[in-house]
Amino acid sequence: GENVEQHPSTLSVQEGDSAVIKCTYSDSASNYFPWYKQELGKRPQLIIDIRSNVGEKKDQRIAVTLNKTAKHFSLHITETQPEDSAVYFCAASTGNQGGKLIFGQGTELSVKP
Amino acid sequence: NAGVTQTPKFRVLKTGQSMTLLCAQDMNHEYMYWYRQDPGMGLRLIHYSVGEGTTAKGEVPDGYNVSRLKKQNFLLGLESAAPSQTSVYFCASSPDLAGIGNNEQFFGPGTRLTVL
Repeated sequence: GENVEQHPSTLSVQEGDSAVIKCTYSDSASNYFPWYKQELGKRPQLIIDIRSNVGEKKDQRIAVTLNKTAKHFSLHITETQPEDSAVYFCAASTGNQGGKLIFGQGTELSVKP
Repeated sequence: NAGVTQTPKFRVLKTGQSMTLLCAQDMNHEYMYWYRQDPGMGLRLIHYSVGEGTTAKGEVPDGYNVSRLKKQNFLLGLESAAPSQTSVYFCASSPDLAGIGNNEQFFGPGTRLTVL
């Protein structure tokens, strides 16, 4: 079955710097790659997603890139702010079986003022 | 709209006790999911449902059962709780907009379960 590996597990940056989180997946049939943000004590919420027919997607300070050949995708956050501090999860799905997602282990991002 | 709600928010059980977690959604979503979240392990899928009356196993189904008798509700049952089931449980739902199952999942607030 699908396996998603996420790195790093923790990331600390200074406010204003960029942050990059990387994920690799194992199932070449995966075609949907969302990123969720989870603030402390809260529920995960979708922040951006990308489908396999697109190589890059941007939404203000957040971007996601996908390399299907290498089977990896990355989240890029520019001009980080303290409110970006949270745990970020990547996930992958083949779209089959109810669109079930396989999540990475999570990255705890800390943005220091 | 309340979105996805979960009952209860917290629960402490003794080993061997049983309980049911209730998930409800008012968005008319076809798909519903139960995850558990443990430190350093991300979100792991326990069971899911692709429609009323259907259920299927996820990554970690052992020790859990589910039912989806109504489209808006998805129940997760623990028949004989074990300390290894101490976790935060999240329910999620998703529409099937394009018929391909790849759409945003909306999460509930979670249930923190401790098994002593």
